[in-house]
Amino acid sequence: DAGITQSPRHKVTETGTPVTLRCHQTENHRYMYWYRQDPGHGLRLIHYSYGVKDTDKGEVSDGYSVSRSKTEDFLLTLESATSSQTSVYFCAISEVTSVREQYFGPGTRLTVT
Amino acid sequence: GQQLNQSPQSMFIQEGEDVSMNCTSSSIFNTWLWYKQDPGEGPVLLIALYKAGELTSNGRLTAQFGITRKDSFLNISASIPSDVGIYFCAGQNRYAGGTSYGKLTFGQGTILTVHP
Repeated sequence: DAGITQSPRHKVTETGTPVTLRCHQTENHRYMYWYRQDPGHGLRLIHYSYGVKDTDKGEVSDGYSVSRSKTEDFLLTLESATSSQTSVYFCAISEVTSVREQYFGPGTRLTVT
Repeated sequence: GQQLNQSPQSMFIQEGEDVSMNCTSSSIFNTWLWYKQDPGEGPVLLIALYKAGELTSNGRLTAQFGITRKDSFLNISASIPSDVGIYFCAGQNRYAGGTSYGKLTFGQGTILTVHP
């Protein structure tokens, strides 16, 4: 298994509160990604990073921000959580030499009440 | 943007049966990936395809990269109960360039149920 951990694994929060999800990797891979998974939509890219302090938006980035200050950590922040952000969030990593293959973490289930 | 249509959405089969699922795209991809997701876990990469027409096997799994580059197929032979899960296809256009390099587009998933 790729060395990817996500924390927390489960979180319940109230509408309007800030939430930060953490992805940590031990593989020293350059690329990191945040996806959300919702029934009927598969996995949709939120943001991704192609290096330390280098990030870009995915297809569903509204309401989310990210930061990457170290190779091993990629943080996803919901500045003011909304019920539509209730979802399962997955982090993924890929290597520069094989960017085509992405490996996923175990996921974080977030519920916004 | 690019869209992937994966079918069927769900399958209910008996143990021992063969399974086929496919993905079609509105545009060309240069890489096709197939993932399996078990309940409560992240997707796990099963097979990667890099060339049009390529046929690749991984145990009882066989996947093909369609010759038009707009589709891919996954077959599972002699299904067993542990094949249960959600199967996702994903496509990538590695010639997208710039910071789009490496981005994957996912299908909606096929939910597979295997009855003993």
